[in-house]
Formats: sequence, C-alpha cells, structure tokens
Amino acid sequence: EVHLVESGGGLVKPGGSLRLSCAASGVSISGYSLHWVRQAPGKGLDWVSSISASSTYIHYGDSVKGRFTISRDNAGNSLYLQMKSLRAEDTAVYYCATVGAELAPLDSWGRGTLVTVSS
Amino acid sequence: QSVLTQPPSVSGAPGQRVTISCTGSSSNTGAGYDVHWYVQFPGTAPKLLIYRNNNRPSGVPDRFSGSKSGTSASLVITGLQTEDEADYYCQSYDRRLSGYVFGPGTRVILL
Repeated sequence: EVHLVESGGGLVKPGGSLRLSCAASGVSISGYSLHWVRQAPGKGLDWVSSISASSTYIHYGDSVKGRFTISRDNAGNSLYLQMKSLRAEDTAVYYCATVGAELAPLDSWGRGTLVTVSS
Repeated sequence: QSVLTQPPSVSGAPGQRVTISCTGSSSNTGAGYDVHWYVQFPGTAPKLLIYRNNNRPSGVPDRFSGSKSGTSASLVITGLQTEDEADYYCQSYDRRLSGYVFGPGTRVILL
C-alpha cells in the first residue's frame, strides 16, 4: 500500500504563491493517476486537480484553473501543486490521493497539509 | 454548491438502519459514471468505504452497502454502531467538468 505525505503548507498573503509536495513511499507511483483534493475549515471535500501516470492528461477544477499547476516526478515518487494568485477561499487542508485506474476511486490518501491565505 | 446532492445529516439509534442518498445529473451519475463513498472522522483524512457503487474494500464491515440506479446512489448502514458517527461523502466523475465531483457530505448522528 502506498503511503503519502504532504508538505509545503503554511501561511501566505493573498496574491502570494506556495508549492505543495506529496512524497510517496511503499509503492512506485508511476502507475497511478494522482489527485489533489482540498477541504476548507468545517466544509466538505473539493476536488482540485488530477494528473495521469505519464502526465499526459491534466485536469483542474474551475475554481483553480489558470492559477494552480499540477506536476509529478515519477523517478522521485512525488507529486506537486504550484499555487499562484492565492485567495482567502483557497484556505484549506490539501490532500494528495492515488487512483489506480481511469475513473477509479481515490484509494489512498495522505494526512493533508494546511494552507492559510490571510493578510 | 456541490454537483452531487446529499442530505446534511441522518440520525439513528444504535442497531438501526440509516440510508444516505446521493443524487447527481445527466453529466455525472446519470451518464453511467460510478459512485464511490468515503468516510471521514474528525481531524483525519477521508477513507474509501464503497467503490464502484456497491463494492467494499478489504476491511470494511459488511454492515456498509451501496447501490446505484439512474442518477441516484445510496449508502446504507445496517446495525448502526457508535463508531459509525462520522461524515460520509459520495463522489463521481462529471464529463462536463472533466473532473471528479463530491457531494457536500452527510453527518451520521447516533441518537
């Protein structure tokens, strides 16, 4: 089973940037699609972005399109999320998760990293 | 506003049966895309509970079951236990949005 650990969260001012990382261990992520899902304080789950195993297919939720960039490093067993032009509404815990096949469920999740956008 | 709809909460006494509904539209559940269910306890990451409408991952008790018909899906918990108090989310794929979508979540409350 893959073990995922997110990092890079913190406090950032509106308009600022932040880069999240997700380190995988236990299994190579090269065969998985990878996703970012976020959860604002006291709110529900919000799908953010996905990247296919070979980075061929990349998708974003409407609320982050044009501001966030997902990428991966299969050799380094890592996933990234570059976030720019951050807004208060981007404040959330960001989770990375694996998907084993096309349209399959999010079967392994990290513990998340908190991003707070505030002046 | 979520693409999938769920009731904010359901409640039941220990041992009872509760049902959580998840309703989508013609661009997601009604288009034939599967529904998956997740459970989340306070302060922890979500965990996969039911996949592809009605399948349980290894380790999930058989008191949890799922079904799907048309645009709607349901999660049923039979023999409700105190440890089942949590938030439950349905999830599917939306072809118009080209992405995964979640319901707003349903809190199960033990009476």
